[in-house]
Amino acid sequence: GAVVSQHPSRVICKSGTSVKIECRSLDFQATTMFWYRQFPKQSLMLMATSNEGSKATYEQGVEKDKFLINHASLTLSTLTVTSAHPEDSSFYICSAREPGGNTEAFFGQGTRLTVV
Amino acid sequence: GENVGLHLPTLSVQEGDNSIINCAYSNSASDYFIWYKQESGKGPQFIIDIRSNMDKRQGQRVTVLLNKTVKHLSLQIAATQPGDSAVYFCAEAVSGTYKYIFGTGTRLKVLA
Repeated sequence: GAVVSQHPSRVICKSGTSVKIECRSLDFQATTMFWYRQFPKQSLMLMATSNEGSKATYEQGVEKDKFLINHASLTLSTLTVTSAHPEDSSFYICSAREPGGNTEAFFGQGTRLTVV
Repeated sequence: GENVGLHLPTLSVQEGDNSIINCAYSNSASDYFIWYKQESGKGPQFIIDIRSNMDKRQGQRVTVLLNKTVKHLSLQIAATQPGDSAVYFCAEAVSGTYKYIFGTGTRLKVLA
């Protein structure tokens, strides 16, 4: 199947700093990518839909100024957690689907963010 | 909307037995359903999918059943193995939206 790569897999940052997470589709072009957040022992919660060349669509309750999404190319979307605080510590996962119809989504390996 | 539970329900099965994991989905307009397996510290891994024009689909050692009347989805794993231990999520989607909504998840523990 298609491969989605996320980087970094783990990051520890100080409170108040910003952290960028990258999501790449390695062998296909993804006009749309998705960012999820997962707290321990909980399900994946969709944060936003990243659209290549246009603004991201955020889910209700997700602060767009806090979680900046950029989808500058067909193979790369980035999520920047700005002015991170300990409550932002979580597992962030991206996914991408190949264009056309209902097809399975391919997920990155996730990024464990710890804000200290 | 999204299902976010405080605790994952756990299913414990003996190695070699069959496992059945259930999921109730929320949107009657959803017409595409997927089961994912997630191991600790990793992203979800695709297992099997099914479209709403079907009520059963089989893969290797896995079967997905869909009951649209009661908005219920199940995943059956035959001859469960230790490597099947993980958290399993169902996800639903509406054609054309590209948006997946994940269920609460079930932790499967395989007992030796």
